[in-house]
Amino acid sequence: GAGVSQSPSNKVTEKGKDVELRCDPISGHTALYWYRQSLGQGLEFLIYFQGNSAPDKSGLPSDRFSAERTGGSVSTLTIQRTQQEDSAVYLCASSSSRAQETQYFGPGTRLLVL
Amino acid sequence: GESVGLHLPTLSVQEGDNSIINCAYSNSASDYFIWYKQESGKGPQFIIDIRSNMDKRQGQRVTVLLNKTVKHLSLQIAATQPGDSAVYFCAEKNSGGGADGLTFGKGTHLIIQP
Repeated sequence: GAGVSQSPSNKVTEKGKDVELRCDPISGHTALYWYRQSLGQGLEFLIYFQGNSAPDKSGLPSDRFSAERTGGSVSTLTIQRTQQEDSAVYLCASSSSRAQETQYFGPGTRLLVL
Repeated sequence: GESVGLHLPTLSVQEGDNSIINCAYSNSASDYFIWYKQESGKGPQFIIDIRSNMDKRQGQRVTVLLNKTVKHLSLQIAATQPGDSAVYFCAEKNSGGGADGLTFGKGTHLIIQP
């Protein structure tokens, strides 16, 4: 079936504006993850969803970052009052369950904050 | 804190040769390891995984070796092809109760010379 999809693929915004990033996981996958990848760096874990609940928000870098997931499927990551240091690629991954650790990634959203 | 790291940031090999990418991890509680391949502008692509009850696992042209004694992980790619050029990340997880997200190393850039 289709893989993980993310939108938009690219986003340019001005400092101080809010942005919303969307992730569509693989159909039937109950676990969903958000990561951030800064230029030339590895991936930094942000938040994990099992169904609609987020038992692990430990990676969110500040209270400007929030995420939600509705219907056990689509998730949105919202960054309020964006800062230049928020510029990065935001990647979403899903797995069939938490117990199934293999995570499949989407193409990412490239965010540039001017 | 504990982390996953890579020995070499860039590895250049001749097309057709075998390549070995190394990774050291420091979390002795990690019991699940994954290698991902990331091409420019794309999300990470799953290559192969291994659990801590194994020391070797083979896929198509790829082999992952795990040495728990020295906490070392390697990815061997046989008969490299131009399409193997990418950044390779190792990632680890403690399935028994650690964070839900994967912990990634910073990546090794593999360059296949024609």
